[in-house]
Amino acid sequence: QKEVEQNSGPLSVPEGAIASLNCTYSDRGSQSFFWYRQYSGKSPELIMFIYSNGDKEDGRFTAQLNKASQYVSLLIRDSQPSDSATYLCAVAPNDYKLSFGAGTTVTVRA
Amino acid sequence: DTGVSQNPRHKITKRGQNVTFRCDPISEHNRLYWYRQTLGQGPEFLTYFQNEAQLEKSRLLSDRFSAERPKGSFSTLEIQRTEQGDSAMYLCASSRGPNEKLFFGSGTQLSVL
Repeated sequence: QKEVEQNSGPLSVPEGAIASLNCTYSDRGSQSFFWYRQYSGKSPELIMFIYSNGDKEDGRFTAQLNKASQYVSLLIRDSQPSDSATYLCAVAPNDYKLSFGAGTTVTVRA
Repeated sequence: DTGVSQNPRHKITKRGQNVTFRCDPISEHNRLYWYRQTLGQGPEFLTYFQNEAQLEKSRLLSDRFSAERPKGSFSTLEIQRTEQGDSAMYLCASSRGPNEKLFFGSGTQLSVL
């Protein structure tokens, strides 16, 4: 079992719609959870982080965490063409490294 | 902006040659990480430093790979006797400390011919 698994995608959504990305993790002791955005040929860029159960909103992005279900998600509201990228879920199973999922590629259709 | 800086951006080498990459982290960050990413995959952890001490190495890091961080500042990653399977993006990241956000450099794209 992989440490971090994401829905495989690709995910195609129309402009203005909500994109929903899912991630599950195997280490129940994980404490920190991150979403990175990666444009093709570029390095990952942090867009959200969450430490506690529940929802965290930042602009058009909402991260949701459920530690009991070992599940973290990212919602992108009012999707824009500039949101087209690969979104990486990252989990900290300990205090010194992040484990990444394979990513979900999102395409926003104008 | 003093973000994470990596050099070179691209490196093309022949199989069997040695290559060295450099990473300059954000100045106040005492943790430095090396990750490797191949097409269609997320970054894979290779190793990390707390100041100048290398505290963890992944089993992915064969004996041909060595990393250093002298004086706890910049870091180098050397690959000896490169193989075609070493072709990947090598990413450096830094953070302030435990459970803190990682900030990535632009990466070094290695192609082994």
